[in-house]
Amino acid sequence: QVQLEQSGAEVKKPGASVKVSCKASGHTFSRAGLSWVRQAPGQGLEWLGWISATGNTDYAHNLQGRVTISTDTSTSTASLELRSLRSDDTAVYYCARDSSTMTLGDWGQGTLVTVSS
Amino acid sequence: DIQMTQSPSSVSASVGDRVTITCQASQPISSWLAWYQQKPGKAPKLLISAASTLQSGVPSRFIGSGSGTDFTLTITSLQPEDFATYYCQQANSFPLTFGPGTKVDIK
Repeated sequence: QVQLEQSGAEVKKPGASVKVSCKASGHTFSRAGLSWVRQAPGQGLEWLGWISATGNTDYAHNLQGRVTISTDTSTSTASLELRSLRSDDTAVYYCARDSSTMTLGDWGQGTLVTVSS
Repeated sequence: DIQMTQSPSSVSASVGDRVTITCQASQPISSWLAWYQQKPGKAPKLLISAASTLQSGVPSRFIGSGSGTDFTLTITSLQPEDFATYYCQQANSFPLTFGPGTKVDIK
């Protein structure tokens, strides 16, 4: 059974950066890819990016240059870094592991990131 | 990018009702479609992959169908625990994209 445990809620000021982590148990990131998805308050799901089992990445076009996804296989931890934060980055951020190609089978519990001055 | 649409945006139904949600892709995606269920304050849960493959532990009242651009999620007999928001997601190519969601609530 794969479990994904995410880091705690964050409050950031506009222009700052945030790093959200996702620690896996029962799984190593060398076996399957992982996506990050966010959900603004009262809104739908937005895919942010993906890292493959071999470390290749793909990002949403509208976040290119502001987002970096990485993994540390030694600690089974994936991370999402988002820079130059704006108020519309306020959302719950989820990590989700591929169960099959591009299908998100296991999800973290979510991390609320609030961007406010 | 592949755009996903869903209809209806919300539906009010009673326990035991049959509920059908449709999802349309802006270009053909073969059977590369997933359905998720999300309850308030919780992470989404994968129900169906590859358009019609039910995930382990998901009740058989959830049925996915379709291919190409048009897909359907049917709940054959709505149960109290099924009141939630449902999202489709294309799994054909990056960037992954989701439909806007369909909220199923109690009539």
